[in-house]
Amino acid sequence: GIQVEQSPPDLILQEGANSTLRCNFSDSVNNLQWFHQNPWGQLINLFYIPSGTKQNGRLSATTVATERYSLLYISSSQTTDSGVYFCAAVSFMDTGRRALTFGSGTRLQVQP
Amino acid sequence: ETGVTQTPRHLVMGMTNKKSLKCEQHLGHNAMYWYKQSAKKPLELMFVYNFKEQTENNSVPSRFSPECPNSSHLFLHLHTLQPEDSALYLCASSQATGNTEAFFGQGTRLTVV
Repeated sequence: GIQVEQSPPDLILQEGANSTLRCNFSDSVNNLQWFHQNPWGQLINLFYIPSGTKQNGRLSATTVATERYSLLYISSSQTTDSGVYFCAAVSFMDTGRRALTFGSGTRLQVQP
Repeated sequence: ETGVTQTPRHLVMGMTNKKSLKCEQHLGHNAMYWYKQSAKKPLELMFVYNFKEQTENNSVPSRFSPECPNSSHLFLHLHTLQPEDSALYLCASSQATGNTEAFFGQGTRLTVV
């Protein structure tokens, strides 16, 4: 099955700083999502982005499908951005399989 | 109604108990999933249901028994669990075809004592 790797595993920022989180995946994908897991455990959808670029406020994401990676950009970080960010993908090759395979996450801590 | 709702949010059970986790989705999706998230580990897929039929069982022990009576509801029946089964259990739903963006419930934090 598809392998999903995220980097860095941990990131500490000062409030107001920018950051880039990376997700590498081993196969062509027909689904790639970014999530933020809040302190209570819920996964919040950030982006559905199997290819291209999207922006939502201070967050943006880019997936370069041909090179099998995706980037999540956080600008002007705030303490409320703290938490774990997950990338998850569905391989184009896994015919009929729609379940996401998750990376190990990036734990972000934004300090005031 | 929120998109995907899980109950209960927290559950403490003894190793000899039987309990059930419930998941309900109001998004008109036809695929539903159970994931397990243990401490310090990535999310692990447990079961997949498409159009009420189980299409994937990811080598889950038989003490976990899923049930999908219709496309909107998914249950996870638990019996004779072990302390190492303590984890956050997350339910998700998506369309089975086309745009397959998945949405997750709030999770059930399970503690086995």
